[in-house]
Amino acid sequence: DGGITQSPKYLFRKEGQNVTLSCEQNLNHDAMYWYRQDPGQGLRLIYYSQIVNDFQKGDIAEGYSVSREKKESFPLTVTSAQKNPTAFYLCATLRSAGGPYEQYFGPGTRLTVT
Amino acid sequence: AQSVTQPDIHITVSEGASLELRCNYSYGATPYLFWYVQSPGQGLQLLLKYFSGDTLVQGIKGFEAEFKRSQSSFNLRKPSVHWSDAAEYFCAVGSGTYKYIFGTGTRLKVLA
Repeated sequence: DGGITQSPKYLFRKEGQNVTLSCEQNLNHDAMYWYRQDPGQGLRLIYYSQIVNDFQKGDIAEGYSVSREKKESFPLTVTSAQKNPTAFYLCATLRSAGGPYEQYFGPGTRLTVT
Repeated sequence: AQSVTQPDIHITVSEGASLELRCNYSYGATPYLFWYVQSPGQGLQLLLKYFSGDTLVQGIKGFEAEFKRSQSSFNLRKPSVHWSDAAEYFCAVGSGTYKYIFGTGTRLKVLA
């Protein structure tokens, strides 16, 4: 059963702690993305990766870091430098660039930092 | 720069009534256009997409959308809304690169 897995669904952390959100896909898609969603602001791109061992900053990368060591995995670390980390985080994939393809989305992780 | 505008933040319709959600985009060439739906606390599900060809596209759950190049619009329609359609709807633009731009969403409420 192909798809995108994000875990955990809910995550709670204390301020000042780093936290890593997991995203795994078995769609064999080349590209993976991390978006942040806040009420009324739509989806904002944090990072994306076109291929293994390569990734690019999106529009709001400050305070976040990623890695892409395997095609299937694209974990996102929310560092203590992120000033307002509480949000809903969505992982997405894309078959590849160049073609007319749609993005596929995972179920999301809601992060609450207090 | 590419942009997507969804002018309606909230829309309320009665069950059985027709629905139209507006989407306007700004892009130099012919874009790839998408509509997604999101239930509370869930990921986004693709409703339909336009790449080329027939400007009226059919999607899942009885939705359709029409691409109007002259108006830079890609409005989503449904002839008869069901209570289960209550959700948030996002319009998005792609261009064949890795960047996709999303609108801020329209939250649909359905009255019984």
